[in-house]
Amino acid sequence: AQSVSQHNHHVILSEAASLELGCNYSYGGTVNLFWYVQYPGQHLQLLLKYFSGDPLVKGIKGFEAEFIKSKFSFNLRKPSVQWSDTAEYFCAVNAGNTDKLIFGTGTRLQVFP
Amino acid sequence: ETGVTQTPRHLVMGMTNKKSLKCEQHLGHNAMYWYKQSAKKPLELMFVYSLEERVENNSVPSRFSPECPNSSHLFLHLHTLQPEDSALYLCASSPSWAGELFFGEGSRLTVL
Repeated sequence: AQSVSQHNHHVILSEAASLELGCNYSYGGTVNLFWYVQYPGQHLQLLLKYFSGDPLVKGIKGFEAEFIKSKFSFNLRKPSVQWSDTAEYFCAVNAGNTDKLIFGTGTRLQVFP
Repeated sequence: ETGVTQTPRHLVMGMTNKKSLKCEQHLGHNAMYWYKQSAKKPLELMFVYSLEERVENNSVPSRFSPECPNSSHLFLHLHTLQPEDSALYLCASSPSWAGELFFGEGSRLTVL
């Protein structure tokens, strides 16, 4: 069965630190990849997505992610985090153009000023 | 404002009660979803409807019963739930297969 792994469950950073959150998936075929963010008390919203083309994807609020097919990974990065980035981040994979979007367990990010 | 509205936002019910969660999307999307979000677990896909037809039932117990009367509305009927069913239930819609999901703010369910 397809699965998504997010190895960092809780990350604590100071403002201006760099961020990288890991995401690995298990599926050998075509995938669509997503990162969603859930700010405290708010709904899940899309941060960025990869369908095809340039494997380095830029999203909102300075986030980017790189699809590395050989590593089955889609890590999220931001060069300099802000306090307002405090949120929970979810990686999600749609495998084989199905109707299923499979989510990871999420990574809670806390940024201190 | 997400374009996907869920009511009620909070629900407390006993194990013998019958209640329903409602979801409405104002985005003109063709597909609607129910997900369950529990602490420290991945979001669990429960049901998928495409053009008002159920296309996915992800081995969900029969005490959860979905209904999709039209492409804008989705219900989750609840009866004889268990305390372990307490969770945040998220509704989402999508314009197409394999596309981006747009989520509502969720209905927080507590089963006593």
